[in-house]
Amino acid sequence: SQKIEQNSEALNIQEGKTATLTCNYTNYSPAYLQWYRQDPGRGPVFLLLIRENEKEKRKERLKVTFDTTLKQSLFHITASQPADSATYLCASPAGRRALTFGSGTRLQVQP
Amino acid sequence: EAGVAQSPRYKIIEKRQSVAFWCNPISGHATLYWYQQILGQGPKLLIQFQNNGVVDDSQLPKDRFSAERLKGVDSTLKIQPAKLEDSAVYLCASSTGRVGGYTFGSGTRLTVV
Repeated sequence: SQKIEQNSEALNIQEGKTATLTCNYTNYSPAYLQWYRQDPGRGPVFLLLIRENEKEKRKERLKVTFDTTLKQSLFHITASQPADSATYLCASPAGRRALTFGSGTRLQVQP
Repeated sequence: EAGVAQSPRYKIIEKRQSVAFWCNPISGHATLYWYQQILGQGPKLLIQFQNNGVVDDSQLPKDRFSAERLKGVDSTLKIQPAKLEDSAVYLCASSTGRVGGYTFGSGTRLTVV
């Protein structure tokens, strides 16, 4: 069956470092992947979309890569700040269906 | 622009009771989604509407869950009767239907006791 998976363990990094989060998918080939940020008690907020023919996408301190050979997307936050602490979700559609979400990775940036 | 509105924010009910959630999407967004998010997990799709028609309800437990989107604007999700395992956050989202991000509401946190 189609799966989209994220490392469920929390990621703890020091302020100023680059955070790298991983999203892997199996048994399907999504046309695009999306990344969301979710703060406690709030709904997910859309950050970036990367299509299968794009290797990399950037937005301010955020960078997303999409490797269709490895079936993986990496999400980077450079010069991380304590305000970046949140849960980050990756998501993709399976065919024409609505987005399927990973379980999210909690990022904690220490000052 | 106004965001996706959901109410109530919190609800506590006893098992076997019924409950309803309301969602008002972004104006002009044709597609509306209801997701269930259990603590520590990612959102799971329950139902997708395109205007007032159902596109996908394959993961909706139809013996107890129902949803409607009359007039293709706001939507209600109902659970009757509720079970303990229905305790979760119910998120409503909307989109234009084209490739792009979804806009989520803040959700309704349901606790079934």
